[in-house]
Amino acid sequence: NAGVTQTPKFQVLKTGQSMTLQCAQDMNHNSMYWYRQDPGMGLRLIYYSASEGTTDKGEVPNGYNVSRLNKREFSLRLESAAPSQTSVYFCASSARTGPVRGYTFGSGTRLTVV
Amino acid sequence: GQQLNQSPQSMFIQEGEDVSMNCTSSSIFNTWLWYKQDPGEGPVLLIALYKAGELTSNGRLTAQFGITRKDSFLNISASIPSDVGIYFCAGLNSGGSNYKLTFGKGTLLTVNP
Repeated sequence: NAGVTQTPKFQVLKTGQSMTLQCAQDMNHNSMYWYRQDPGMGLRLIYYSASEGTTDKGEVPNGYNVSRLNKREFSLRLESAAPSQTSVYFCASSARTGPVRGYTFGSGTRLTVV
Repeated sequence: GQQLNQSPQSMFIQEGEDVSMNCTSSSIFNTWLWYKQDPGEGPVLLIALYKAGELTSNGRLTAQFGITRKDSFLNISASIPSDVGIYFCAGLNSGGSNYKLTFGKGTLLTVNP
């Protein structure tokens, strides 16, 4: 079982470039999430999708868009990258039924915007 | 919104020492979770707590769900170098459609051999 797979693992962008971060889960989870992690700031929620067909803003959505392509895949798009978006991005997924086990995280995408 | 205060922010300890960290909240949670993030990886679930007063162990790790439901504690006994990483607490109110965790900012643990 791969769990949550994120691509790419590393990326360097120039200011103003666009890119899409990909995330896929193979656990049949309903809910998926995008977080960013910055030193001293913990994990901050960018967007989430409670179930296929729905997306909602989190704590820091500005500058980002998301697409829940199907139950497995949830992508994060930066339309015009800015240096302030240099961060480590984590995708996560969770089930909505059964015992609460929190989220399963991917291994992250390390993004640098120059 | 809900906030979690996690302390300490960082710890530097010698191998073999015990470690304690905690999270407090202004709101009640009905589930507490503790995660560990190894360097260069995503967080991984260590322990989940479901009832106020619950004490749960996972090897050298022990976590407790505070009786007020507003706090939780994690202890690591006899630390070893591979305990290095960031430890996150998370709280959840799983009612209805609002299945979102609230995370603390993490405790960075360094273990000196």
